[in-house]
Amino acid sequence: SQTIHQWPATLVQPVGSPLSLECTVEGTSNPNLYWYRQAAGRGLQLLFYSVGIGQISSEVPQNLSASRPQDRQFILSSKKLLLSDSGFYLCAWKQSSYEQYFGPGTRLTVT
Amino acid sequence: GDSVTQMEGPVTLSEEAFLTINCTYTATGYPSLFWYVQYPGEGLQLLLKATKADDKGSNKGFEATYRKETTSFHLEKGSVQVSDSAVYFCALSDLGTSGSARQLTFGSGTQLTVLP
Repeated sequence: SQTIHQWPATLVQPVGSPLSLECTVEGTSNPNLYWYRQAAGRGLQLLFYSVGIGQISSEVPQNLSASRPQDRQFILSSKKLLLSDSGFYLCAWKQSSYEQYFGPGTRLTVT
Repeated sequence: GDSVTQMEGPVTLSEEAFLTINCTYTATGYPSLFWYVQYPGEGLQLLLKATKADDKGSNKGFEATYRKETTSFHLEKGSVQVSDSAVYFCALSDLGTSGSARQLTFGSGTQLTVLP
């Protein structure tokens, strides 16, 4: 069966520091991968998606970036965090069906 | 573009009460429709889905019927439990401009609290 992992689970970082969040999927190959952000008390905002290694599409211009160095690995990065980057970051994957499956999320607090 | 509108929360019910969370959508094509549930501090879990008109998705006592004529996908449960307390998201998946990526468009979420 397929599983999706995210780490770290929680992170507290100062403004201006770098960020690296990792997402890995097991039990499937060549999935579509997605990064979402959920601000406190709000819905989900799609940040990036990827249909293959090295292929990244950005939905919202910002100081975040994403990379897909391996088929089942998706990384969210920033060179300098802003206060507004705080939130709950969710990774998701999709295969041939229509639905997406989500990871457990990373709670990021920028101080 | 595509959009999903959910009823505003929060919704507070007593245990064993009947639940309805309204969801309507606009889409250019023929979308698939989903309900996701998010328990506190966790990621989203797929609750149920429907891929064509008149389909009924069901899971864990929850049901939703894909109504193309009213562009709706309302979530219902006959008797809620305290353990159903969570945030519920309605979503649709359409081809849009992303082709095979088939992005999900989410509603804003509805917070449900069930009191014992």
